[in-house]
Amino acid sequence: NAGVTQTPKFRVLKTGQSMTLLCAQDMNHEYMYWYRQDPGMGLRLIHYSVGEGTTAKGEVPDGYNVSRLKKQNFLLGLESAAPSQTSVYFCASNAIAGVANEQFFGPGTRLTVL
Amino acid sequence: AQSVTQPDIHITVSEGASLELRCNYSYGATPYLFWYVQSPGQGLQLLLKYFSGDTLVQGIKGFEAEFKRSQSSFNLRKPSVHWSDAAEYFCAAPSGANAGGTSYGKLTFGQGTILTVHP
Repeated sequence: NAGVTQTPKFRVLKTGQSMTLLCAQDMNHEYMYWYRQDPGMGLRLIHYSVGEGTTAKGEVPDGYNVSRLKKQNFLLGLESAAPSQTSVYFCASNAIAGVANEQFFGPGTRLTVL
Repeated sequence: AQSVTQPDIHITVSEGASLELRCNYSYGATPYLFWYVQSPGQGLQLLLKYFSGDTLVQGIKGFEAEFKRSQSSFNLRKPSVHWSDAAEYFCAAPSGANAGGTSYGKLTFGQGTILTVHP
């Protein structure tokens, strides 16, 4: 049971390039989330999904797109990377989205945009 | 708007000393509250959570937190810090809903407190 995994762990992009971050979970969780972490700002929600085939915007969705074609995978895409998207990206999942339920986090992807 | 605030960006303690990390929340009704820890280069791990009942909550790794409605606080404590506790700590609460509402499991995080432990 690997929990939540993220690919890649590190990436350096040039401005304007595109990339996709992959999140996978093997816990059969319905809900999945993408956050970005920036110094002094905590984690901010980018997009989330309440089930296969559904996605919704979070707090900071601009410049990102997501897809949830399979229940276990949640993809985060950057179509045209900008230096402001330099950050650490975390994926998380939740079995049932009750307010008291724990989110399980992946190890993160550190992205640098030059 | 609902919010979570951690007033201390960085705290340094000596190994063996006691620790208290502050968290203040702004919610209309009784909130659900969480503390997560992030070790260097790792993802976040849940330390403890409060959702009802006893206001003193016990967590993993010897941590505890106390919910104080009168002070809108949920401070994290540990009586004796170990070097392995050096990490960043986040307080969090559900986004967009009070207890019992629908927030789709989303969380609002505080800014984080970095804990440094001196030997």
